[in-house]
Amino acid sequence: DTGVSQNPRHKITKRGQNVTFRCDPISEHNRLYWYRQTLGQGPEFLTYFQNEAQLEKSRLLSDRFSAERPKGSFSTLEIQRTEQGDSAMYLCASLDGYEQYFGPGTRLTVT
Amino acid sequence: ILNVEQSPQSLHVQEGDSTNFTCSFPSSNFYALHWYRWETAKSPEALFVMTLNGDEKKKGRISATLNTKEGYSYLYIKGSQPEDSATYLCAFSASSARQLTFGSGTQLTVLP
Repeated sequence: DTGVSQNPRHKITKRGQNVTFRCDPISEHNRLYWYRQTLGQGPEFLTYFQNEAQLEKSRLLSDRFSAERPKGSFSTLEIQRTEQGDSAMYLCASLDGYEQYFGPGTRLTVT
Repeated sequence: ILNVEQSPQSLHVQEGDSTNFTCSFPSSNFYALHWYRWETAKSPEALFVMTLNGDEKKKGRISATLNTKEGYSYLYIKGSQPEDSATYLCAFSASSARQLTFGSGTQLTVLP
């Protein structure tokens, strides 16, 4: 399968714990995007990378969130000291021309 | 703040019915308009990307139109089938950075 993959698919954590998600984009795509989707809403933009450079961050990305793409290939999104409001679907997408190809997402539940 | 609105929020139709959804978006600083189909437990699937006013795209029984001057797009499904049941999302991008601003989606259920 040469699509965008994300791991884990589901994560349940206790409030206050740190979590890290991984995204593997389609290999030749230079741009990578992170989005977050909460119940009843469409996905919201968090941040994006051009190769290893993080070019833009949304105001939704608080200081507890950090994203990296160290070698311009896979990316990680870390949430420190999770809060119940962080419960959401975290989606990753990579860009080819105009089109963004999405992974299946990581569903985070903070208890 | 960019606002993308979709209507209706949800829709139930009988198999064989044709249906359409609306997406409204800011008419200024337009770059591209996307439609995605999202089934539970799967990745959002790109249906169409439209960049020019008056664009019309078609894929099988699904088609879409774009009016950038008035800021709306329609998605049409002809002869709905149960496998068309999904959430249909539209997304707007306002720059070459291409981050997407999504609507809340239209949840379609096609009853056999």
